[in-house]
Amino acid sequence: QVQLQESGPGLVKPSETLSLTCTVSGDSISSYYWSWIRQSPGKGLEWIGYIYYSGSTNYNPSLKSRVTISVDTSKNQFSLKLNSVTAADTAVYYCAVYYGVLEYWGQGTLVTVSS
Amino acid sequence: EIVLTQSPDFQSVTPKEKVTITCRASQSIGSSLHWYQQKPDQSPKLLIKYASQSFSGVPSRFSGSGSGTDFTLTINSLEAEDAATYYCHQSSSIPLTFGGGTKVEIK
Repeated sequence: QVQLQESGPGLVKPSETLSLTCTVSGDSISSYYWSWIRQSPGKGLEWIGYIYYSGSTNYNPSLKSRVTISVDTSKNQFSLKLNSVTAADTAVYYCAVYYGVLEYWGQGTLVTVSS
Repeated sequence: EIVLTQSPDFQSVTPKEKVTITCRASQSIGSSLHWYQQKPDQSPKLLIKYASQSFSGVPSRFSGSGSGTDFTLTINSLEAEDAATYYCHQSSSIPLTFGGGTKVEIK
């Protein structure tokens, strides 16, 4: 069973870039799709985007202008960058493996946007 | 964007009772509808995929049905450990979307 673990700063200043990494274990990242989802009290669960191990991506149009998802197959990791953050980006961020359905999720990491 | 509307928002249920949660899609999504359980301070856990397929390790009291725009999650004989929020999720089209959730409380 694949396991995922998010890591990154828990506090980001407004207008700066949120950067998170998801480390995958129990399976090779060189297959399937890998996704980011976030959850905030105001907006529930929101899909951010996913990346195939080859590097092709698909993003939520609502965030597309600010989001970059990348993959590092040598480290079995994939990453999220969200730029120009505001308080509305405060949320728990999850990574997950996508086999046509988001099957396994990481435990999530809270990111707060505040000065 | 496909909007998923869940009902009810909240349900208070006695153990051993049957629970039914519905999810309606704003347009037909075939069977690309999945159900998750989320307990406080935990990540969502997949229960049912593609409307009616039980995910590995999920108790048999959880079942799903439906296709097109109307879907149902049923919990037969509710147990105390089933207290959680339940979400539906569609993977028929981008962007992937989620329902607003149904909180199930044990009386």
